Amino acid sequence: DAGVIQSPRHEVTEMGQEVTLRCKPISGHNSLFWYRQTMMRGLELLIYFNNNVPIDDSGMPEDRFSAKMPNASFSTLKIQPSEPRDSAVYFCASSLSREAFFGQGTRLTVV
Amino acid sequence: GQSLEQPSEVTAVEGAIVQINCTYQTSGFYGLSWYQQHDGGAPTFLSYNALDGLEETGRFSSFLSRSDSYGYLLLQELQMKDSASYFCAVGLTDSWGKFQFGAGTQVVVTP
Repeated sequence: DAGVIQSPRHEVTEMGQEVTLRCKPISGHNSLFWYRQTMMRGLELLIYFNNNVPIDDSGMPEDRFSAKMPNASFSTLKIQPSEPRDSAVYFCASSLSREAFFGQGTRLTVV
Repeated sequence: GQSLEQPSEVTAVEGAIVQINCTYQTSGFYGLSWYQQHDGGAPTFLSYNALDGLEETGRFSSFLSRSDSYGYLLLQELQMKDSASYFCAVGLTDSWGKFQFGAGTQVVVTP
């Protein structure tokens, strides 16, 4: 398996624009997570899905953030409108048990 | 609220032993995980302790004392490639879904 695949790897956008991050989890994994990493706040869990159903989205910072998982092999995290403070590395991870496998992340810069 | 405390940085020479402590105060506890992250990379799973005691995996060992809300990661025979950030993470649910990460410990290995 190629592991968790995220796209794009880097994204630079202007404030106010919509940003969509994409994730393909490892086949067979039933849990999917979206994390955000910044120097100030570390690794924060934004939302996680189990069997494609959102279980806990309490980490989603604002209504500007939304996530979907239409099927077992794809998930998106959307930010609309984006703001400079959203600049961070966004990781997607998937798991079947105690070990979470992280993608390489999307480095988002909002200018 | 949830809190995990770990040292921000540890420096050691090649061949030495390093212990990274993690103390936690969380509303739930279903296990303690450790992840390694190299600069610019993704977090990768190292170990998981659900029960008290020591788990050994090669040069790395992890310990948990649930009564003390404390765990540690032990890195032995340090190598230059072990220079990275190490995160402890507490499982907050019993479905391996929600993990709260510590701020990370930067380990610097010197020749």
